[in-house]
Amino acid sequence: KNQVEQSPQSLIILEGKNCTLQCNYTVSPFSNLRWYKQDTGRGPVSLTIMTFSENTKSNGRYTATLDADTKQSSLHITASQLSDSASYICVVSASSGGGADGLTFGKGTHLIIQP
Amino acid sequence: DSGVTQTPKHLITATGQRVTLRCSPRSGDLSVYWYQQSLDQGLQFLIQYYNGEERAKGNILERFSAQQFPDLHSELNLSSLELGDSALYFCASSAQGTFTGELFFGEGSRLTVL
Repeated sequence: KNQVEQSPQSLIILEGKNCTLQCNYTVSPFSNLRWYKQDTGRGPVSLTIMTFSENTKSNGRYTATLDADTKQSSLHITASQLSDSASYICVVSASSGGGADGLTFGKGTHLIIQP
Repeated sequence: DSGVTQTPKHLITATGQRVTLRCSPRSGDLSVYWYQQSLDQGLQFLIQYYNGEERAKGNILERFSAQQFPDLHSELNLSSLELGDSALYFCASSAQGTFTGELFFGEGSRLTVL
């Protein structure tokens, strides 16, 4: 069964500090891995999408890494800001593409940035 | 702004009632997906439509149904509502019919069942 596990469940850091969120997956066959940011009560917004051949991808202060061999990904946030407070969701797409298992969502990491 | 429009943003109703949630996908996107997110839970896939046809089905209850119209907007119908149906319902759209392409989410419809 396809699964995506994220850690930690929640994280509190001070404004200006860096942090790293983890995602482990067992999805086969793998197509791509996405990180979404979801503000409370809002729709998820895509941060990065990485395919099998991509090891790292940046979007401003967000940098995602992917190790397809160990089936792990991380999202690193640099110089955190109060607006980074949100849930960060790891989503893995299977290359079979269709069916209810086409996308597997993690439960998310709830990040709180304190001033 | 993702380009996906959902209405209504908020809805309060009573148990046993029926509601309809509406979604307009991004211009040009043929696929519409519906997700349910209960309090502090992850996104649960309900159903996908592609160009008017049902493409994939997830954990959608029999009391729920959906359709996609010729103009590509979609509606999610929830009937015989129960307290546990209170949740955020998200619509997403993509250009492709598969899950491999990027999804764009709407802002959601918050349903409260009293």
